Amino acid sequence: KAGVTQTPRYLIKTRGQQVTLSCSPISGHRSVSWYQQTPGQGLQFLFEYFSETQRNKGNFPGRFSGRQFSNSRSEMNVSTLELGDSALYLCASVDRGLFGTGELFFGEGSRLTVL
Amino acid sequence: DAKTTQPNSMESNEEEPVHLPCNHSTISGTDYIHWYRQLPSQGPEYVIHGLTSNVNNRMASLAIAEDRKSSTLILHRATLRDAAVYYCILTGSARQLTFGSGTQLTVLP
Repeated sequence: KAGVTQTPRYLIKTRGQQVTLSCSPISGHRSVSWYQQTPGQGLQFLFEYFSETQRNKGNFPGRFSGRQFSNSRSEMNVSTLELGDSALYLCASVDRGLFGTGELFFGEGSRLTVL
Repeated sequence: DAKTTQPNSMESNEEEPVHLPCNHSTISGTDYIHWYRQLPSQGPEYVIHGLTSNVNNRMASLAIAEDRKSSTLILHRATLRDAAVYYCILTGSARQLTFGSGTQLTVLP
């Protein structure tokens, strides 16, 4: 069974640009959640999508958005990039909802650098 | 939101047991306690989870206090491959996933 795949693995953007990151979950998993990891703030929950609907959202500004497609693949978008958005963005998938007992499977992350 | 508190770092000798503590005094009755670990340059990896009773799996054991305000992840025989950042996480009532700062485990040969 293939694991969670995130693309691109590395990218560099400049302030004011926007970026789209992609996450392909494990086959059969309907929940995809996104996280931001920085040295200063640690791991922070961004949002969860389940069956194409955003079910839960963390405390991030509206510049951070996402969506999920019918095949459960998910994308997150960050608009008007700021220097502080430089981070490792992780996604995870689980077969049932995020807030159950299922094991989360994480991808290796997309490392975004904003210059 | 329910929060977790963990020591920043711990050390253990190889092949000795390791007890990693986590405090979660604001846990609610429906929150599950999950543990994940993250090796350098990798995404977090599931270790174990539980609700009220102690749990064992092939990787570790989870001991949950009777009042559920704390828990301990037990690695029975630490190996060099267990060196990682260990996160204690609560899921459930708040509809958010709250990560603590994690404990950096160093395993000494």
